[in-house]
Amino acid sequence: GDKVKQSPSALSLQEGTNSALRCNFSIAATTVQWFLQNPRGSLMNLFYLVPGTKENGRLKSAFDSKESYSTLHIRDAQLEDSGTYFCAAEARSNYNVLYFGSGTKLTVEP
Amino acid sequence: NSKVIQTPRYLVKGQGQKAKMRCIPEKGHPVVFWYQQNKNNEFKFLINFQNQEVLQQIDMTEKRFSAECPSNSPCSLEIQSSEAGDSALYLCASSLAGNERLFFGHGTKLSVL
Repeated sequence: GDKVKQSPSALSLQEGTNSALRCNFSIAATTVQWFLQNPRGSLMNLFYLVPGTKENGRLKSAFDSKESYSTLHIRDAQLEDSGTYFCAAEARSNYNVLYFGSGTKLTVEP
Repeated sequence: NSKVIQTPRYLVKGQGQKAKMRCIPEKGHPVVFWYQQNKNNEFKFLINFQNQEVLQQIDMTEKRFSAECPSNSPCSLEIQSSEAGDSALYLCASSLAGNERLFFGHGTKLSVL
């Protein structure tokens, strides 16, 4: 089964609105990273998390290792936020290897 | 923006042909990873290196795939005999350590006809 379940698979937002993406882990995740992939394929690292919370501008991410989930909150969505978001977790059972979610395709509309 | 450089951007090969792609990790990053992303957005770890040494690799990598990270030269991933199922985006990433923040290149999109 999926080690990392990401939801939703697709999301459409109006500019200026807020939303949240979520990943649930069936592995003992030790760290989590969030990436944004643009249509050309480039993956940009948004966050690297140990258990806890980080914020960067309009983005905020949390990782709860005990409850095995991570979230990415997008505030005041802008057109340039469009793309596919991936979470990825490192597992205690296999250090250095990331297990990726299946992605959330976000479309921000004017 | 990532400073991991991957070439070529696109690669088209016939079945049975060799396919080779290269990666220059971010300066100062001793750990290099290769991942395969298929059209269903499934990521598969292939191999990773610390400097020139292989840390981990999957079985598939051991058979038709070969990879190296020689000192003072780009890292490379080569498929000895391409198959249609190898068509995917091959992503190289580097980091300061194996369990640290990962920075990806733009990828090499391989199409095997």
